[in-house]
Amino acid sequence: EAGVTQSPTHLIKTRGQQATLRCSPISGHTSVYWYQQALGLGLQFLLWYDEGEERNRGNFPPRFSGRQFPNYSSELNVNALELEDSALYLCASSLSYEGTSGYGYTFGSGTRLTVV
Amino acid sequence: EDQVTQSPEALRLQEGESSSLNCSYTVSGLRGLFWYRQDPGKGPEFLFTLYSAGEEKEKERLKATLTKKESFLHITAPKPEDSATYLCALRTGANNLFFGTGTRLTVIP
Repeated sequence: EAGVTQSPTHLIKTRGQQATLRCSPISGHTSVYWYQQALGLGLQFLLWYDEGEERNRGNFPPRFSGRQFPNYSSELNVNALELEDSALYLCASSLSYEGTSGYGYTFGSGTRLTVV
Repeated sequence: EDQVTQSPEALRLQEGESSSLNCSYTVSGLRGLFWYRQDPGKGPEFLFTLYSAGEEKEKERLKATLTKKESFLHITAPKPEDSATYLCALRTGANNLFFGTGTRLTVIP
């Protein structure tokens, strides 16, 4: 069974540009979560999508946005990039809301975003 | 406000030297406490879920326990391949997981 896949693996952008990160969940998983992991910091919750809708949002500015497609894959967009956006962006998937109880999330390997 | 604190930040052990990692938490409605392992440059890998005080789970050299205020990850006779960052996370009413900053474990041969 394929795991959670993220692309690209690495991304280098210039300050002020936009970045688009992609995530494909495990087959059968309908919930997708995005986390930011900056150097020296823990995982910070960004966004949760389920069945195509945004269900919850972390404490991040509106320039962090995303969407979930009908096939449950997801995209994270970061506009007007700032240097402090440099981080590992992790995507995770799970069964729908009530299905997460036993197994938590399955994470991808992340996209390393570097803003210069 | 929900909080999770992990200690120590870093731990160096000799191979075979058992120890414990701590995860202290305050939460209004706990719906699960999760332990993950994260290797450098990779996403976290699920280890355990605990739901109620007194619960214990084991996997190879790892055992996780839970009280009303904290969880411990006990590592018995660790090997170098156990070197990783161990993350604790709470699942609250909002469904998303709230992570601690982790304990970076290094096991020296």
